[in-house]
Amino acid sequence: GENVEQHPSTLSVQEGDSAVIKCTYSDSASNYFPWYKQELGKGPQLIIDIRSNVGEKKDQRIAVTLNKTAKHFSLHITETQPEDSAVYFCAASDSGGSNYKLTFGKGTLLTVNP
Amino acid sequence: NAGVTQTPKFQVLKTGQSMTLQCAQDMNHNSMYWYRQDPGMGLRLIYYSASEGTTDKGEVPNGYNVSRLNKREFSLRLESAAPSQTSVYFCASRELLPANTGELFFGEGSRLTVL
Repeated sequence: GENVEQHPSTLSVQEGDSAVIKCTYSDSASNYFPWYKQELGKGPQLIIDIRSNVGEKKDQRIAVTLNKTAKHFSLHITETQPEDSAVYFCAASDSGGSNYKLTFGKGTLLTVNP
Repeated sequence: NAGVTQTPKFQVLKTGQSMTLQCAQDMNHNSMYWYRQDPGMGLRLIYYSASEGTTDKGEVPNGYNVSRLNKREFSLRLESAAPSQTSVYFCASRELLPANTGELFFGEGSRLTVL
């Protein structure tokens, strides 16, 4: 099955700085890569996703890049704000017979200091 | 907009007791999932139901059973709870779209402690 590695596990930045979280995946057939944000005490929520036929996608202050050859994808948050503080999870779709599943990374705790 | 509703939100069990976590979604989604979240381990899939009438094991199914009661409801049962099952459990649902896409919608979680 798919294996997703996520780094760093914790990240602390000053308000206004950029934050980058990186993930690698093992299954070259994976074709869908979402990112979820989890605020304290809540369930994760989708913030952005990218399909394997696209190299980059942006939505206001967040962007995701995908390098299929290297099998890694990254989340970029610019002009960080205190409300960006949360746990972020990357995920990759399973291919083949288990194509209903998403495999998640272990998460990154982002802290934005005012 | 209720979305995905899980009950109970908190539960304390003794080793060997049984319990069922309930989950219901009102978005008419075909696929439903149970994940557990442990510190440093991320979200790990326990069981999933691709569509009404089907269930399949995920990454960590041992010690759990599930029932897809109907299209709306997907329950998770612990037959004989163990301290290793202390965790936060999340139910999720989605409409599976082409190329295995489709947003997962999560409930707010059920915090289970097994003493």
